[in-house]
Amino acid sequence: DIQMTQSPSSLSASVGDRVTITCQASQDISKYLNWYQQKPGKAPKLLIYDASNLETGVPSKFSGSGSGTDFIFTISSLQPEDVATYYCQQYDNLPYTFGQGTKLHIK
Amino acid sequence: EVLLVESGGALVQPGGSLRLSCAASGFTFSSYSMNWVRQAPGKGLEWLSYTSDSTTIVYYADSVKGRFTISRDNAKNSLYLQMNSLRDEDTAVYYCARSPRYSSGSFDYWGQGTLVTVSS
Repeated sequence: DIQMTQSPSSLSASVGDRVTITCQASQDISKYLNWYQQKPGKAPKLLIYDASNLETGVPSKFSGSGSGTDFIFTISSLQPEDVATYYCQQYDNLPYTFGQGTKLHIK
Repeated sequence: EVLLVESGGALVQPGGSLRLSCAASGFTFSSYSMNWVRQAPGKGLEWLSYTSDSTTIVYYADSVKGRFTISRDNAKNSLYLQMNSLRDEDTAVYYCARSPRYSSGSFDYWGQGTLVTVSS
């Protein structure tokens, strides 16, 4: 199975900050990487697909980049409503696997 | 509006069985691949199973292969997960999730989840 490693596991930032989360795959997954946001008690929401494509209706403050094994997810200006856990997920190979999550807090 | 509503979660003893359902509305269910994903309490997400739109292709995670069976009834706009030989470690919220046409390995709509608790 492909292991997905996110960094950091937890992150505290101030409103207006630029926030970056990284995701590393244990092998080359090309561009087949998604990013999800999960707010407490809610189902995950797809934000980014194919590493860098913004899902319809998702604010442009969210962005993704990378290919191969190293990927980056960015929130350009953190807002209180962005408090959530963020997951990367690969779909290059079965089984589809998720990172362990990055829990984002507001300072 | 796309809507996925899971049901069937319950408290069940180890070794028991349970069938989860997912009722879909707001889109042409028969045209989309579907998945089950679970989340143990306080833990991350685990993909479990995939079915193509016509059920000709199904996949399972090793953790549930041979114990869980995914199925669908396109006439009823419903997805199912038959879970047998349940273990303590199967305790989780179970989500059904749709795969968009542009990416069979992505999950663009999710249900609210149904809780399965395996305990004696």
